[in-house]
Amino acid sequence: AQSVTQLGSHVSVSEGALVLLRCNYSSSVPPYLFWYVQYPNQGLQLLLKYTSAATLVKGINGFEAEFKKSETSFHLTKPSAHMSDAAEYFCAVTPNTNAGKSTFGDGTTLTVKP
Amino acid sequence: DAGVTQSPTHLIKTRGQQVTLRCSPKSGHDTVSWYQQALGQGPQFIFQYYEEEERQRGNFPDRFSGHQFPNYSSELNVNALLLGDSALYLCASSSLIGGEAYNEQFFGPGTRLTVL
Repeated sequence: AQSVTQLGSHVSVSEGALVLLRCNYSSSVPPYLFWYVQYPNQGLQLLLKYTSAATLVKGINGFEAEFKKSETSFHLTKPSAHMSDAAEYFCAVTPNTNAGKSTFGDGTTLTVKP
Repeated sequence: DAGVTQSPTHLIKTRGQQVTLRCSPKSGHDTVSWYQQALGQGPQFIFQYYEEEERQRGNFPDRFSGHQFPNYSSELNVNALLLGDSALYLCASSSLIGGEAYNEQFFGPGTRLTVL
């Protein structure tokens, strides 16, 4: 069984400020972890993924995330927010045996203030 | 590479009707998963097709059914539509037989279904 908890349904930051979106997971098998971004009326775009290699994962658009097994966390960060980062962000956990069956969190809406 | 494609983009139906949504996977992928994303929520796994069979299923009623064709494309069928079926339906493709796509899935743009 798997589950994902995204802490904070809405996060607001100023342009240029640090972005931190929190994700905690549970999984009965070694997990793969993903962060996706979704813009209004669009599908999901993969930001980055953890697949049991390096625990610090770098993704697109300057985002990165660190897998911490002891804390069962996979928080997403970006040093400096840009206006174009405003979107919905989803964390997902997938069993390492089946990339196609993901369990998603409820999402975090990121607002970037000028 | 066109990526994952879905049709139609939008669809409006009335309660009790039936609907069919279509998905073509990314080139090289053999597995299709379907998700339902209600407004304000994360995607929920409906089912997954591989080798033309349903391999995994989430917590959805039998009104939701699917099919996968020999070319790996897939259909999602929903019978006896309810107001609560209004959602964005996402298709994702991946590969269960290895290759660079083995450990991730790629999403299509979705079909927005509105049930009146």
